[in-house]
Amino acid sequence: KAGVTQTPRYLIKTRGQQVTLSCSPISGHRSVSWYQQTPGQGLQFLFEYFSETQRNKGNFPGRFSGRQFSNSRSEMNVSTLELGDSALYLCASSLDRGAQETQYFGPGTRLLVL
Amino acid sequence: GENVEQHPSTLSVQEGDSAVIKCTYSDSASNYFPWYKQELGKGPQLIIDIRSNVGEKKDQRIAVTLNKTAKHFSLHITETQPEDSAVYFCAASLVWGSNTGKLIFGQGTTLQVKP
Repeated sequence: KAGVTQTPRYLIKTRGQQVTLSCSPISGHRSVSWYQQTPGQGLQFLFEYFSETQRNKGNFPGRFSGRQFSNSRSEMNVSTLELGDSALYLCASSLDRGAQETQYFGPGTRLLVL
Repeated sequence: GENVEQHPSTLSVQEGDSAVIKCTYSDSASNYFPWYKQELGKGPQLIIDIRSNVGEKKDQRIAVTLNKTAKHFSLHITETQPEDSAVYFCAASLVWGSNTGKLIFGQGTTLQVKP
């Protein structure tokens, strides 16, 4: 079974631009979570989607948004990019059936904001 | 707020020795505690997890212990090998019903296993 895939793997943007990252979960997984990883702040939870609805949200500004499609694929968007948004953005999927809460991570999208 | 503290930040051991990484969490309602291994250029990979109704779990050379009273859990790696070198993250989560919850991660431990 294929793992979580994320596209693109690398991205360079300039301040003020906006970016969209994509995540395809493991087949059959219905929950998708997004995390930001930086050397200074570590791994921080952005948001979680299940059945096209945002179920949990972390402490990030409204410039960070996401959505989930009917096939469970998810996208996250960052508007008005800032230098501090440079990070590895990780997507994780889970089966989400009672105790099946194990989250499987993709390889991430490395975003560099210049 | 929710917080997970992880120690040490770096750990260097000789091949064949044991390695222990410790985490404490602040939210007493947390009931799911996974450990992830992250190699350079890759996403975190789950290596073992434990739920609050279990005190210890073992998988070959890896074991995790949980002390709910102290809000403390640890990862034990025995007979370390060079390929165990990576960054290890602990995490805590509150999972209830169909809500998988969000993972709160520790700051990570860079483990170096010297041949």
